[in-house]
Amino acid sequence: AQSVAQPEDQVNVAEGNPLTVKCTYSVSGNPYLFWYVQYPNRGLQFLLKYITGDNLVKGSYGFEAEFNKSQTSFHLKKPSALVSDSALYFCAPLRGGNNRLAFGKGNQVVVIP
Amino acid sequence: DTGVSQNPRHKITKRGQNVTFRCDPISEHNRLYWYRQTLGQGPEFLTYFQNEAQLEKSRLLSDRFSAERPKGSFSTLEIQRTEQGDSAMYLCASSQSQQGSGAFFGQGTRLTVV
Repeated sequence: AQSVAQPEDQVNVAEGNPLTVKCTYSVSGNPYLFWYVQYPNRGLQFLLKYITGDNLVKGSYGFEAEFNKSQTSFHLKKPSALVSDSALYFCAPLRGGNNRLAFGKGNQVVVIP
Repeated sequence: DTGVSQNPRHKITKRGQNVTFRCDPISEHNRLYWYRQTLGQGPEFLTYFQNEAQLEKSRLLSDRFSAERPKGSFSTLEIQRTEQGDSAMYLCASSQSQQGSGAFFGQGTRLTVV
């Protein structure tokens, strides 16, 4: 079974500073890992995914994530946070053969002006 | 095609009433998923369709819940005899069937049972 852990409930960062949202995974087999973002009262928006290939994955809105097999991590990063990046972020693996995403509670990111 | 569309966006209903939500997926996507999200939680999987076939249902999906995708295009989720505990955001997502394809989500339907 595949699952993820996002160890921090909330991440606070000052506008303009680097933003990191942590995700570690436990897998059986090769992981397919995704990051989604959710703004208040909205659906989830796809940011990026790791399937295979380059460990550094670039996604939407200036976000990127690095797949690290030795540390079983897939941390989301952005070099310079914007106030508009304040949202709920979910790291999720695909589970099973039906492409079903398995979500945890997510991380609330607060970017302080 | 502008993405996954869900209607209505908001629904307030009295306890005991039936409600039905609709999801229109991205047209070339043959997989469709329903999730439920309560406050402070991540989305929980409810059910999944491959074309018109409902291939998996979560144990969260009680007998009062039923989902259909009659022609393999749009889907409906019906909740009968609603309870206050059904209050949540109901999210629909669609994807292609290749392994590793990500899902694209609609804006959700927020249900409030009073």
